[in-house]
Amino acid sequence: SQELEQSPQSLIVQEGKNLTINCTSSKTLYGLYWYKQKYGEGLIFLMMLQKGGEEKSHEKITAKLDEKKQQSSLHITASQPSHAGIYLCGADMDQGGSEKLVFGKGMKLTVNP
Amino acid sequence: DAGITQSPRHKVTETGTPVTLRCHQTENHRYMYWYRQDPGHGLRLIHYSYGVKDTDKGEVSDGYSVSRSKTEDFLLTLESATSSQTSVYFCAVQGTLRRPQHFGDGTRLSIL
Repeated sequence: SQELEQSPQSLIVQEGKNLTINCTSSKTLYGLYWYKQKYGEGLIFLMMLQKGGEEKSHEKITAKLDEKKQQSSLHITASQPSHAGIYLCGADMDQGGSEKLVFGKGMKLTVNP
Repeated sequence: DAGITQSPRHKVTETGTPVTLRCHQTENHRYMYWYRQDPGHGLRLIHYSYGVKDTDKGEVSDGYSVSRSKTEDFLLTLESATSSQTSVYFCAVQGTLRRPQHFGDGTRLSIL
C-alpha cells in the first residue's frame, strides 16, 4: 500500500489559474518536503514543513501542513508555464527523525499559455 | 547547488554486464542515497549510507550493491544487469536528519 498519496495524479491548467496539490498520509508527518522535477532533470527542493498548522511561501507557491500533520497542500497562485513539471512530496514519519524518506508518486502539472 | 555530480549521465549496456554508477559530492554531507525512479512507482530507495563504510538497504535493494570508501563518493553497482533495472537513477545527499535531501541530475540507464 502507498503510505503517501498525492492527488491529483496530473493536472492541466490554463496560465493564470490557481491550483492546489495534496499529499496525504495515514501516519503522522514529522517532516514534509516538497520537490519539483522538470523532465529529464533532478528534483529541486522547494519547501520543508515540520509543525502542525505551518505555512510557508516562496514567490507564488504556498505550502501548508495541517494541524493533525497528516496532510500537506501546495498551492500555486496565478500559474505560469515555468510552474510546469512534476511535484513530489517526501515525508519523514519517524518522530525522532529518519534517515529514510517516503515519497509520493508525484503530480504532473501542465500549464498551457 | 548542492555540489552533487552523477556519472555517467546516460548509459546503454547489455544484460549480464556489470555496471557502476558514481555519485560525488563536494560538501561533506553525512548521508548519501541511491534511488530509482520508474513510471507508476515513483521514487524508490535502493541503498543509503550514513557514513564512510556504513550502508544499509532500502526497499528495492535486490540486485544492487553499494560502497562508500570516502565521504564524497557513493558507488552503486549492478553486478549483472537485467532489463528490469532499466531506470533513471538518482543520488541524493543530506547533511543531518530533519533537513531536506538534495538530489543529483540523475543517470538514465538502459539495459538491452
